[in-house]
Amino acid sequence: AQSVTQPDIHITVSEGASLELRCNYSYGATPYLFWYVQSPGQGLQLLLKYFSGDTLVQGIKGFEAEFKRSQSSFNLRKPSVHWSDAAEYFCAVGSRLQFGAGTQVVVTP
Amino acid sequence: GAVVSQHPSWVICKSGTSVKIECRSLDFQATTMFWYRQFPKQSLMLMATSNEGSKATYEQGVEKDKFLINHASLTLSTLTVTSAHPEDSSFYICSAGNVAGVYNEQFFGPGTRLTVL
Repeated sequence: AQSVTQPDIHITVSEGASLELRCNYSYGATPYLFWYVQSPGQGLQLLLKYFSGDTLVQGIKGFEAEFKRSQSSFNLRKPSVHWSDAAEYFCAVGSRLQFGAGTQVVVTP
Repeated sequence: GAVVSQHPSWVICKSGTSVKIECRSLDFQATTMFWYRQFPKQSLMLMATSNEGSKATYEQGVEKDKFLINHASLTLSTLTVTSAHPEDSSFYICSAGNVAGVYNEQFFGPGTRLTVL
């Protein structure tokens, strides 16, 4: 059975610092992998997705993620966070979107 | 981009009453719509998948008689929580997809907060 794990429930980062959110998955084949962001009062927004090809994926809002098959990981990164990046981030796997538990990102001045 | 709306954005009802939540795709036709439930500080759990004109497919453990889903048109799906009880209080999110094939990208609505007193 497929599963998604986001080990970090909560991350606090200073504005301008780099951010990395971890995602590990369990899947029988090469999965479809996604990162979504959820801000209060707004729907989930797709940041990026990986289906195949280049393992480093560029997304919107300056985010990128790297698929590492050997580690079953798809970690999300941003070199320099902005206060507006404070939100809940979800990793998801599969065509039917099984979501991880989410990581709450807090950005401090 | 594709826009999905939900109405109402929040609703409070008495125990035993029924509540209807609407999900609309505003600028595209959604062949498939999905309904999720999200508890505080938790992830989204898929409740059901509905295709226009056919019966919804419910996930294991979701009561189909409790959560009635209707997908009567390519732009509208409704979720009715029947005889709601306090344990049904949650955040309900819909998504809509419009691309047939292996991967059907989903566009999410803003969610509906249901509180049952």
